[in-house]
This record gives sequence, structure tokens and C-alpha cells, in this order.
Amino acid sequence: DAGVIQSPRHEVTEMGQEVTLRCKPISGHNSLFWYRQTMMRGLELLIYFNNNVPIDDSGMPEDRFSAKMPNASFSTLKIQPSEPRDSAVYFCASSLNGNGYTFGSGTRLTVV
Amino acid sequence: QKEVEQDPGPLSVPEGAIVSLNCTYSNSAFQYFMWYRQYSRKGPELLMYTYSSGNKEDGRFTAQVDKSSKYISLFIRDSQPSDSATYLCALGDSSNTGKLIFGQGTTLQVKP
Repeated sequence: DAGVIQSPRHEVTEMGQEVTLRCKPISGHNSLFWYRQTMMRGLELLIYFNNNVPIDDSGMPEDRFSAKMPNASFSTLKIQPSEPRDSAVYFCASSLNGNGYTFGSGTRLTVV
Repeated sequence: QKEVEQDPGPLSVPEGAIVSLNCTYSNSAFQYFMWYRQYSRKGPELLMYTYSSGNKEDGRFTAQVDKSSKYISLFIRDSQPSDSATYLCALGDSSNTGKLIFGQGTTLQVKP
């Protein structure tokens, strides 16, 4: 099992550009979570899906953020337009029936 | 008030010391308690999982939950330099969605 796979590992972009982060969860897991981690705020839950359906997106900062899960093996988190304050490490995690998460290695996003 | 409070440290101890890491929480709906370990530039990994008050032991690690006081702890015996990492507590409610709320994380350094 390759675990949760995120891409890219690093992304540097200019303010105003669109950024798309990708995640492949562990096969068979039915829940997928997007988190953002910063020194100041720690790990913040942005959105999570259960059986590909968005359940709670109350953590999404604003309309510039959107997430999709078109099938059980793929999810995207998009920021459009990006701003410097979006700079953080974005983690994707998956789980089976809530029995603990498996995290990906994260995408380190820098918006300049 | 945050739902979960965790002292960010940093905590520095000599090799072989007993380490105590703690979190407090305010919402009595939390029923699942986990500890994650995060090495630098990596995703968090699940260390301990418990859902009842009392102690759970796994090798050098002991997780302790006191639901009446809304207080959870992780003890590390005979700490090793390889234990140097950030430790995050994570709490889940009974909704079975798998949604977790994380503490800020405590950075631990074990000096040889």
C-alpha cells in the first residue's frame, strides 16, 4: 500500500494565480480530509468527504477555496486566486469508518 | 476558547527521561482520543488510539484519558533521540464521520 499520495510536494506561485493540490487516498478508505497547517494556527480542518460527498466545508476560509472528489480515488483542493496568506502546508488524510487517519506527506505551498 | 488546548512547548529532555504530554478539551461530546507524531517535513502518523477513560499502553508509550476532567496525556518512558518530533493530540466525537480536532502540537527534543 503506497499510502495517501499528494502532489505536488512543493508549489511556489505568484499571488493571483490558481493553485490545484491533488490527493489520492488509500484504496478502500471511505473518508477524505483536507487540512492546512501553519505555525500560528496548527492543523485546521478545511473540508471532509464521506463516500465522495462533501459533509462539512465550514473550515474553508473563503470562496477562493474549493474542493472536489469526483471519485473514490481522487480529490482536489483549488485556490483561486491565491494570496500570500494562503502559504502553508496542506495535508490530505483518509480513513475507514473513522478509525484513525492516514496522512499524506503534504504539499508545501508558498504564494509570493 | 479553543476546543482543544495543548502547550506548544518546545520541551527539551535528556535521553532516558520520562516525558509527559498533555491536552485539555472543553466539549464532552469527544469520545475518541488519539495521539499523532509528526517528524519535521512529514505528515502526522497515528501513535495511539483510545476511546475510554483509563490507560492504554503500547511499548514505551502510555495514553491516559480522564473524561471527567477532560484531560488526556501521553507518557513516553525511556525517551530516545528518535522520539524528537511534534506530538499532536486529536479528538473525535461520536458521529462516526472520522472528523478530528487537533491540538496545536507539542514539540519535543530528546537530547543524547
